[in-house]
Amino acid sequence: EIVLTQSPATLSLSPGEGATLSCRASQSISRFLAWYQQKPGQAPRLLIYDASNRATGIPARFSGSGSGTDFTLTISSLEPEDFAVYYCQQRTDWPPLTFGGGTKVEIK
Amino acid sequence: QVQLVDSGGGVVQPGGSLRLSCAASGFTFISYGMHWVRQSPGKGLEWVAFILYDGNSKYYADSVKGRFTISRDNSKNTVYLQMNSLRPEDTAVYYCAKDRAAVGFDFDYWGQGTLVTVSS
Repeated sequence: EIVLTQSPATLSLSPGEGATLSCRASQSISRFLAWYQQKPGQAPRLLIYDASNRATGIPARFSGSGSGTDFTLTISSLEPEDFAVYYCQQRTDWPPLTFGGGTKVEIK
Repeated sequence: QVQLVDSGGGVVQPGGSLRLSCAASGFTFISYGMHWVRQSPGKGLEWVAFILYDGNSKYYADSVKGRFTISRDNSKNTVYLQMNSLRPEDTAVYYCAKDRAAVGFDFDYWGQGTLVTVSS
C-alpha cells in the first residue's frame, strides 16, 4: 500500500499570503496524484488531478506540481474561502486508493 | 449539472446491516465507475469500494472486504453499498463519488454524504 504523507499538518496564514502544501509518497507514483479541498460539513472538492491539471471551475491561483514521490499544491494568494483542509490522493497502485492525512490551512 | 444524492445512513448496533444508496443525475451514469469513500468523525478520508461502469469489476479496501458489497443499477442511475457485520470502527460519513474518467480512479464529483453510526 502506498502511504502519502502530507506536511505541514497545519498552516497558519493570512489572506493574501501564498501557501505551499507538500505531499510525499512512499514510492513513486509517476504523476498520478490528485488534490482535494474540504470545508467543514462539506464533501471534498477536486482541485487538481494528475499532479498539475486544474479541475473544471478551479481558480488559477491553485496550481500543482511534482512527480515521482514529491508533490506540491500552491495557492498563490489566499482568499477567505480557501481556508480549509486539503488532501492528496494517489491512483497508481490500487487497491487501495489512498489519501494523505490532510493539511489544514487556517487563518492566522 | 452532476448531482449525487447519498441516503440510507443511520444508527445500527454492532453486527447489524445497512444499505446505502447514491442516486446520480446530470451525466451518463453507465459510462463511469463509481466509488464509496468514508470519513470517520474528525478524521481523514478512506477509500472503501469501487465498481466499474458495467458492474463487472469490484474492488474493496481490506478493512471492509467480505463484509461490504458494492453494486449498481444502471437502469435507476443508482449505486449501492450493502454493509453487513458492522463494527464500531465503521462509524463514519459515507460519500459516493464519481470517477473522473471512465476508469480514472480519482473523484470529480461527490455526494453530500450520509452518516453511519455503529453503536450499542
